[in-house]
Amino acid sequence: DTGVSQNPRHKITKRGQNVTFRCDPISEHNRLYWYRQTLGQGPEFLTYFQNEAQLEKSRLLSDRFSAERPKGSFSTLEIQRTEQGDSAMYLCASSQSSGGTYEQYFGPGTRLTVT
Amino acid sequence: AQSVTQPDIHITVSEGASLELRCNYSYGATPYLFWYVQSPGQGLQLLLKYFSGDTLVQGIKGFEAEFKRSQSSFNLRKPSVHWSDAAEYFCAVGARTNAGKSTFGDGTTLTVKP
Repeated sequence: DTGVSQNPRHKITKRGQNVTFRCDPISEHNRLYWYRQTLGQGPEFLTYFQNEAQLEKSRLLSDRFSAERPKGSFSTLEIQRTEQGDSAMYLCASSQSSGGTYEQYFGPGTRLTVT
Repeated sequence: AQSVTQPDIHITVSEGASLELRCNYSYGATPYLFWYVQSPGQGLQLLLKYFSGDTLVQGIKGFEAEFKRSQSSFNLRKPSVHWSDAAEYFCAVGARTNAGKSTFGDGTTLTVKP
């Protein structure tokens, strides 16, 4: 068990560019979550997957954001036409649905800076 | 809708002193409750969790928390703080009926004085 990993750890991009982040969950976990955290605030839920199915998306997830989990393993989060307001830490978490406790394990995050 | 309030934005304690971080939640039924710690630039580490049963839960690093249904609270405590405990602490409530999607408070920053 190597934990949840996220790449890249840091990303600096210019406004209007597209960016993609990757999350590799704990291998036996079937649920995967994306959160966004801005300075001075707690993480805010964006979306989650069970296996390859995206089951819920927050209203925070505008149409410029898209997430995929094509084979039920790793996930990608893409932001198109980035804006300065997208600057934040993007956190990924995973959990195992069996047992019904949904305890989530977080990765180290990807810090996005839009200039 | 579920929500979490952490009334204290910043707390300073002396090393060796006791600590209590407050957390109040709003949820229509018995929630899942969590405390996480986050060091600068890092992800969140789970300190402890409450799902059911004993309302006093023990966690890692000597932390404990008590679920009080009547007060909708889940306060975090530690009897003796160490300098390495300086970090940001987040309380979260998870929905039992919605895949455990978690709602977080805005955090409490803990500073430890030598």
